[in-house]
Amino acid sequence: GENVEQHPSTLSVQEGDSAVIKCTYSDSASNYFPWYKQELGKRPQLIIDIRSNVGEKKDQRIAVTLNKTAKHFSLHITETQPEDSAVYFCAASWGAGGTSYGKLTFGQGTILTVHP
Amino acid sequence: GAVVSQHPSWVICKSGTSVKIECRSLDFQATTMFWYRQFPKQSLMLMATSNEGSKATYEQGVEKDKFLINHASLTLSTLTVTSAHPEDSSFYICSARDLAAFRTDTQYFGPGTRLTVL
Repeated sequence: GENVEQHPSTLSVQEGDSAVIKCTYSDSASNYFPWYKQELGKRPQLIIDIRSNVGEKKDQRIAVTLNKTAKHFSLHITETQPEDSAVYFCAASWGAGGTSYGKLTFGQGTILTVHP
Repeated sequence: GAVVSQHPSWVICKSGTSVKIECRSLDFQATTMFWYRQFPKQSLMLMATSNEGSKATYEQGVEKDKFLINHASLTLSTLTVTSAHPEDSSFYICSARDLAAFRTDTQYFGPGTRLTVL
């Protein structure tokens, strides 16, 4: 099955700095890579996702890059703000149909703290 | 759009009792829903895939007789934790895919249910 490794486990930055979180995946068949932000006791919220036919995607201060050859993808947050502080999870899934369709495998999570 | 609700949001029960958690897609139809468990300071672990009108598919190591899943309609899946024990205390989260969405691989998560077994 798929295995997703996420680093770092904790990340502390000053407000206005950039933050980068990296994930690697094992199954070359995975083709969908979402990133979730989760605040304590709340549901994971999708912040950005990327599919395997795209190398990079950007949404305002958030961007994701995908390297299919190396099987890794990264989340980039620029101009960080204190409200960006949360746990971030990467995930990977295989969308080709069958019983494994859409199953998400999550990384271990990164606790991001943005200091004012 | 794409709202998923869960009920209850939290529940406390005695050891040995059963607890039912509901997951509903409010504004879309979902043939497939997923159930996750999240222990404190840990990641989300997929427990099972719930398919409307058929049996759920459980992940390795998840006891299907302990975690009963029923997906009776396109908007409702239920997870019943039978004979709950303190080690079952966790945050249970469901997610659903929008059957009619342009991108059907996007999952929308419910708010979670905090289960505490005494």
